Amino acid sequence: EPEVTQTPSHQVTQMGQEVILRCVPISNHLYFYWYRQILGQKVEFLVSFYNNEISEKSEIFDDQFSVERPDGSNFTLKIRSTKLEDSAMYFCASSNQETQYFGPGTRLLVL
Amino acid sequence: QKEVEQNSGPLSVPEGAIASLNCTYSDRGSQSFFWYRQYSGKSPELIMFIYSNGDKEDGRFTAQLNKASQYVSLLIRDSQPSDSATYLCAVKSGTYKYIFGTGTRLKVLA
Repeated sequence: EPEVTQTPSHQVTQMGQEVILRCVPISNHLYFYWYRQILGQKVEFLVSFYNNEISEKSEIFDDQFSVERPDGSNFTLKIRSTKLEDSAMYFCASSNQETQYFGPGTRLLVL
Repeated sequence: QKEVEQNSGPLSVPEGAIASLNCTYSDRGSQSFFWYRQYSGKSPELIMFIYSNGDKEDGRFTAQLNKASQYVSLLIRDSQPSDSATYLCAVKSGTYKYIFGTGTRLKVLA
């Protein structure tokens, strides 16, 4: 069964450093998403991406964040200058129409 | 601000009982509704989705939607200890955005 994959599974970084989180969506899906979940809190929408451009973004997704689909398979989330409060689980998801399927997540810890 | 509300729980039910999980949403224009299960430290896993008013059954799970009341529920029949998890309600808002509730923690007691 096709699935969304994410790398790395865990990332530890120093405050102010740049991180890139990687995702490989399900191959025939057209819509891609990033979410974050701070420990003990709800899943929060960050951004959606369709047709090689951002479709919608939340107020969390400020200038420190960017997304890219550098080739036909990868979908990346970059955080330019990490803050302590960026520590969270980051989930990638993809969909074709309505139903989203989530990857296993990257746990980001900013020290 | 569009919201999805769930009781955080925990909801405790004995093994074999029916668990009933509820969700309300604020955006009256929402058309698509989803239930996910999330085990601790894992990603959300889709259980089922519903678009039309009424009931939709899939195995032991039944989703119920009432758009007039802006209410979605999930019933789990014959609850098993392996069903113990957090259940997330999600609502599609517009074309490209999904809003999640905080989730209800379910504990099925053996």
